[in-house]
Amino acid sequence: NAGVTQTPKFRVLKTGQSMTLLCAQDMNHEYMYWYRQDPGMGLRLIHYSVGEGTTAKGEVPDGYNVSRLKKQNFLLGLESAAPSQTSVYFCASSYTGTSGRGGSYNEQFFGPGTRLTVL
Amino acid sequence: GEDVEQSLFLSVREGDSSVINCTYTDSSSTYLYWYKQEPGAGLQLLTYIFSNMDMKQDQRLTVLLNKKDKHLSLRIADTQTGDSAIYFCAETPGGYQKVTFGTGTKLQVIP
Repeated sequence: NAGVTQTPKFRVLKTGQSMTLLCAQDMNHEYMYWYRQDPGMGLRLIHYSVGEGTTAKGEVPDGYNVSRLKKQNFLLGLESAAPSQTSVYFCASSYTGTSGRGGSYNEQFFGPGTRLTVL
Repeated sequence: GEDVEQSLFLSVREGDSSVINCTYTDSSSTYLYWYKQEPGAGLQLLTYIFSNMDMKQDQRLTVLLNKKDKHLSLRIADTQTGDSAIYFCAETPGGYQKVTFGTGTKLQVIP
């Protein structure tokens, strides 16, 4: 199993250009997420999906769009890139389940990341 | 909103114990997690604790939870150079669909 894969690994864009980041998972997970990682700010959630055909906004959704047409794929789009979108982007997928103790568990499986630079 | 807070940096000598601290935000989080990020890689789950537990031990790792103060800590015994990484605590505020990560603590192990 490949787990979670991301394409591309690196990309340099000019301000105003557009691009799509692809995330794929082969674990049959329902939930998928896009995060950005910036120094000193940890991981911030951009958008997420709780199932095929659904998407929802996270903490920092502005300037990004997403689509989940197939259960295994989650696409992140930048329509008009800005220098503030220079970051490392991580995709994750998860299953959730309940334990005998009650409550729900969410373990996230991460891709290797995409390093994006916007000039 | 409130952030899940961690100190940014910790330096320890090889063989010593490391303690990484975290203050989380939501007392209703059912599970609390510790993730490890090695250089150039994504995060990987290291361990987790259920909210009605005070402590969990897993080989060299000890997790302590103080629900009253919303404080979580990760102790690594006999720290090795391979433990050098960024460590993130995480919670699931308001349910389990979303996970909120802390700012991350970079652990440097000095040989």
